Amino acid sequence: AQKVTQAQTEISVVEKEDVTLDCVYETRDTTYYLFWYKQPPSGELVFLIRRNSFDEQNEISGRYSWNFQKSTSSFNFTITASQVVDSAVYFCALSEAWWKLASGSRLTFGEGTQLTVNP
Amino acid sequence: DAGVTQSPTHLIKTRGQQVTLRCSPKSGHDTVSWYQQALGQGPQFIFQYYEEEERQRGNFPDRFSGHQFPNYSSELNVNALLLGDSALYLCASSLKRYEQYFGPGTRLTVT
Repeated sequence: AQKVTQAQTEISVVEKEDVTLDCVYETRDTTYYLFWYKQPPSGELVFLIRRNSFDEQNEISGRYSWNFQKSTSSFNFTITASQVVDSAVYFCALSEAWWKLASGSRLTFGEGTQLTVNP
Repeated sequence: DAGVTQSPTHLIKTRGQQVTLRCSPKSGHDTVSWYQQALGQGPQFIFQYYEEEERQRGNFPDRFSGHQFPNYSSELNVNALLLGDSALYLCASSLKRYEQYFGPGTRLTVT
């Protein structure tokens, strides 16, 4: 069975601070995908990143960066110089490698971290 | 390019009633997945439709059923509503096995 744990329920920072959101996962699969989604108050889940289990290179996209460590089953997300518009709930998710399936794979989500960035 | 659309936006039903939620996938997508998100929790996978068949199902009772039409749009039906069915219902579409794109959701309140 797959499981995703986001231990931080809520984080509050002041604008321009750096913030890291933690994600730990469990799976018996040797190949899988990891994701981060952002959910603003409107409710729609916005895709941020997808990572293959065999690619442990860290990734940076503007103010966002992701640290994937297979040895500790973690996939942490850092926002540098946070802004008020970053305030949202962030979800980490896990799926089986979809090439193993006849159809698409289901996503297993963590409970989410509510990030509040204060001006 | 239209994204994933869902209707209605909000819905209020009474216990025991039945409800139908609708989803139109992103243009070019052929697979639709449904998720239930209770307040303060992460989304939970309900089921997935591809080629008009249910391909995968999460841990939800038979009261939850669905359908996919030839134009790839989908419906989620919930019978005998319980108070615990109150949630945000999210539809996600994908092209076969690839990334899922989510719609804005339908907020269902059961009283």
